[in-house]
Amino acid sequence: GNSVTQMEGPVTLSEEAFLTINCTYTATGYPSLFWYVQYPGEGLQLLLKATKADDKGSNKGFEATYRKETTSFHLEKGSVQVSDSAVYFCALWGSGGGADGLTFGKGTHLIIQP
Amino acid sequence: DTAVSQTPKYLVTQMGNDKSIKCEQNLGHDTMYWYKQDSKKFLKIMFSYNNKELIINETVPNRFSPKSPDKAHLNLHINSLELGDSAVYFCASSLRQGETDTQYFGPGTRLTVL
Repeated sequence: GNSVTQMEGPVTLSEEAFLTINCTYTATGYPSLFWYVQYPGEGLQLLLKATKADDKGSNKGFEATYRKETTSFHLEKGSVQVSDSAVYFCALWGSGGGADGLTFGKGTHLIIQP
Repeated sequence: DTAVSQTPKYLVTQMGNDKSIKCEQNLGHDTMYWYKQDSKKFLKIMFSYNNKELIINETVPNRFSPKSPDKAHLNLHINSLELGDSAVYFCASSLRQGETDTQYFGPGTRLTVL
């Protein structure tokens, strides 16, 4: 079945540091890939997505490239801010026990210190 | 205006009770979903509902039943609540049931079963 593996946190960085959160996936075919962000006490928001191989999704300074050869979709940002502190979820569209929807990784808690 | 709303935000109840969580979306979307987020932040799809077609994740107990009075609402009913049902439940919607469609999440309902 489908699965998403991402580095587990917490990941603690200083402000303006470079961020990478690794994400790899297992799926049949070439599913669409997503990064969602969950700020404290809120629901999930789409951060970026890529729907086919070699596509790069980008938003708010974050980027991720769909690499089918390595089945990866790593999230990067050149200079993080305190306001980026949140939980980040990598996800793919696929079947979960028969219900079509998003299959999520376990989330990476990111903490940015001033 | 809130795109996807859920009520209540918090729900505390005793084992064995029956409870409901309501979800409404004002985006005109055709597809709605319910997800469960456990204490370790792991998100898993429970149901997808599209145009009166309900698709259930086979791992979800039949004590859980979604009910859709109209396209804008997908309520979650839970019978005979158990301790293990304690979690945050998220409702989501998308324009269609397609892998490229962005899902919009509600703020979540934190259910605590005592």
